[in-house]
Amino acid sequence: DAGITQSPRHKVTETGTPVTLRCHQTENHRYMYWYRQDPGHGLRLIHYSYGVKDTDKGEVSDGYSVSRSKTEDFLLTLESATSSQTSVYFCAISERAGSSIQYFGAGTRLSVL
Amino acid sequence: DQQVKQNSPSLSVQEGRISILNCDYTNSMFDYFLWYKKYPAEGPTFLISISSIKDKNEDGRFTVFLNKSAKHLSLHIVPSQPGDSAVYFCAARQMNTDKLIFGTGTRLQVFP
Repeated sequence: DAGITQSPRHKVTETGTPVTLRCHQTENHRYMYWYRQDPGHGLRLIHYSYGVKDTDKGEVSDGYSVSRSKTEDFLLTLESATSSQTSVYFCAISERAGSSIQYFGAGTRLSVL
Repeated sequence: DQQVKQNSPSLSVQEGRISILNCDYTNSMFDYFLWYKKYPAEGPTFLISISSIKDKNEDGRFTVFLNKSAKHLSLHIVPSQPGDSAVYFCAARQMNTDKLIFGTGTRLQVFP
């Protein structure tokens, strides 16, 4: 299994509070991704990174920001959580450009009340 | 608009029989296709992939078929086993990007 750790694994928070999810990898892979999984939508890309300090938006980026100050860590921040951001969040990594195989973490279940 | 579609939310198959999971796509610029399997409370795991220049790829019990003219791919599992019970996602990569677009998933149940 790829060395990917997501923390926390579960979180309950209130509307309007900031939340940060962490993805840590030990594979030294260049590319990292954040997805959310919702019933009826599959996995949707929020943001991704192609190197330290290099990030770009995915298809559902509104309300989210990311940071990558080290190769091994990719942080996802909900600046002001809303109930529509209740979801399961997955981090993924891939080794290089053109390698379509992404390896996923175990996920973080976030509930915004 | 859903570019990758899995129209069957669920599929039930008897152990030992063939499971066929289907996926349709709309974007002719997709050049690589993947299947992932997901168990509850775990992340998706890569299963098998196929390049758009091929029409078949096989790995043990798993075979993926690609029909480019119909913009359709399928995953065959033969023989199906109870441990194959999971949600299966197909995904597609748009040419010259590092991003995958996923379908909504099909829940496969293999019963004895």
